[in-house]
Amino acid sequence: EMQLVESGGGLVQPGGSLRLSCAASGFTFSNYWMHWVRQAPGKGLVWVSRIDNDGSRRDYADSVKGRFTISRDNAKNTVYLQMNSLRAEDTAVYYCAKDGVDCWGQGTLVTVSP
Amino acid sequence: DVVMTQSPLSLPVTLGQPASISCRSTQSLVYSDGNTPLHWFQQRPGQSPRRLIYKVSKRDSGVPDRFSGSGSGTDFTLKISRVEAEDVGIYYCMQGTHWPFTFGPGTKVDIK
Repeated sequence: EMQLVESGGGLVQPGGSLRLSCAASGFTFSNYWMHWVRQAPGKGLVWVSRIDNDGSRRDYADSVKGRFTISRDNAKNTVYLQMNSLRAEDTAVYYCAKDGVDCWGQGTLVTVSP
Repeated sequence: DVVMTQSPLSLPVTLGQPASISCRSTQSLVYSDGNTPLHWFQQRPGQSPRRLIYKVSKRDSGVPDRFSGSGSGTDFTLKISRVEAEDVGIYYCMQGTHWPFTFGPGTKVDIK
């Protein structure tokens, strides 16, 4: 069974940093692009970033470009999201998703507040 | 960015009755390979999104056959033939053709 498990969320002050992790199992991780999607409290779903199979191509939403960095370790079946210069508007549940969006994690909550 | 719109945004339904959600995009969603990566998701309260329909009309494994998808180009529809209590939640359409991928605003389905 395919599974994604996110971790690393928490409370951080504006301007701070967090690194999210997403551990994959149940599928050949290195064959798939991976994605991060976020959902602010009570709001809809917004794409954040994606990375190709070997990490050579990375794309970002304009709202996070220059502040967030996506990466992956295929040996560890894990994708990461390094978030710097965090703002209040980055407060959200962050989901990782497998390419094709047929598998999502349970999400990890990031709260940016003084 | 491609903007996805949905209507209605709120859909109270009587149990056993049909429901229909419309999704429209500001650009054609036909990909260069001929596929149309337009997907539908269900999000129950407190849960992650779950894909129900992919590439317009293909039902995911385990999804009841009362759910169906149709459409082409820029105009798509999700139908529930007979709404059951477990169908309560928010339904999103999503396009995977143009980066950044985008979701519709969501349609909240609840029981009258």
